[in-house]
Amino acid sequence: KQEVTQIPAALSVPEGENLVLNCSFTDSAIYNLQWFRQDPGKGLTSLLLIQSSQREQTSGRLNASLDKSSGRSTLYIAASQPGDSATYLCAVKGGAGNMLTFGGGTRLMVKP
Amino acid sequence: DTAVSQTPKYLVTQMGNDKSIKCEQNLGHDTMYWYKQDSKKFLKIMFSYNNKELIINETVPNRFSPKSPDKAHLNLHINSLELGDSAVYFCASSQSILGELFFGEGSRLTVL
Repeated sequence: KQEVTQIPAALSVPEGENLVLNCSFTDSAIYNLQWFRQDPGKGLTSLLLIQSSQREQTSGRLNASLDKSSGRSTLYIAASQPGDSATYLCAVKGGAGNMLTFGGGTRLMVKP
Repeated sequence: DTAVSQTPKYLVTQMGNDKSIKCEQNLGHDTMYWYKQDSKKFLKIMFSYNNKELIINETVPNRFSPKSPDKAHLNLHINSLELGDSAVYFCASSQSILGELFFGEGSRLTVL
């Protein structure tokens, strides 16, 4: 059964810092990996989708990498801003029924 | 335009009651999902429908019955509500089983 782990569980940084969020998964037989952002009391917003054949995806200040063989993905946020404060969730799709399995999230606080 | 919309956003009810949550997507997607986010913010798949057919049912009690009248709608009916059903329920959709997921804003259910 696929298990997804995100480290750290919480992170607090000053504005302007570059930061890396980590995601690991136990079963490397995945179709894709998706990073989401969740603001308090809100739904999930899709940030980046990486197909299993891809190594990375970029959108603005966000860059996500995927190393399928080692079961790892990282989300890099450049020049962090207070508006980036949210919970970031990693999810992998694969396995029976092609389910999307979520990690526990990283709660990010960017201080002005 | 809201891509994935759920109603109601908040629902407070007594134990033993029956309630429904509705979900509609206007993205033209073939696949829809219900996820449950518990008090620890962990997201778990409940159901997945593709072209109105059930493809995933993840160890959810029989009290939960999804219904998909057409591809754009996936409603969740819950019988005999229990305290442990209190959570935020998220609807999502994707173009195909392997596609990128788009989430609704969530429906917060509180059972007293």
